Amino acid sequence: EPEVTQTPSHQVTQMGQEVILRCVPISNHLYFYWYRQILGQKVEFLVSFYNNEISEKSEIFDDQFSVERPDGSNFTLKIRSTKLEDSAMYFCASSGGRVNTEAFFGQGTRLTVV
Amino acid sequence: SQQGEEDPQALSIQEGENATMNCSYKTSINNLQWYRQNSGRGLVHLILIRSNEREKHSGRLRVTLDTSKKSSSLLITASRAADTASYFCGQNFVFGPGTRLSVLP
Repeated sequence: EPEVTQTPSHQVTQMGQEVILRCVPISNHLYFYWYRQILGQKVEFLVSFYNNEISEKSEIFDDQFSVERPDGSNFTLKIRSTKLEDSAMYFCASSGGRVNTEAFFGQGTRLTVV
Repeated sequence: SQQGEEDPQALSIQEGENATMNCSYKTSINNLQWYRQNSGRGLVHLILIRSNEREKHSGRLRVTLDTSKKSSSLLITASRAADTASYFCGQNFVFGPGTRLSVLP
């Protein structure tokens, strides 16, 4: 069964450092998403991406964040200068459409900022 | 807001009992989706119910939708310990805070 894969599973980084989280969406999907889940809290939408551009983003997704689809398979989330409060699980998801379709989630990357 | 709001925030039941979780939303919808999250893992899609549907079943899951009340419910019948998870409703892939279900053996 096709799946969304995320790497690494766990990343530890120093405050102020840049970090790139990687995702390989399901190959024929067109819509891609990043979410954040701080420990014990809800799953927060960050951004959606379609046709090589951001289609929606939340208030959380400020100038410190960026997304890219550098090639035909990877979808990345970059945090330019990490803060302690960026520590969270980051989930990538993809879907074949925008309406009336399900999203498939990766297993997440646990980011720890120290 | 496109997200749903689940109720209750937490629910604890005995194995074999039914669990009912509710979701309210504010904007008009094309569809509403329910997802499940095991602790620390990615969300897994359970059911999508379209705005012109009133009820949908999948195994032990039953979802209802009342567009006049802008609400939906997820019923899990004959619950098992393995159903212990958080359950989220949402539309357009934006989710509410979830209901944390604990099924006690």
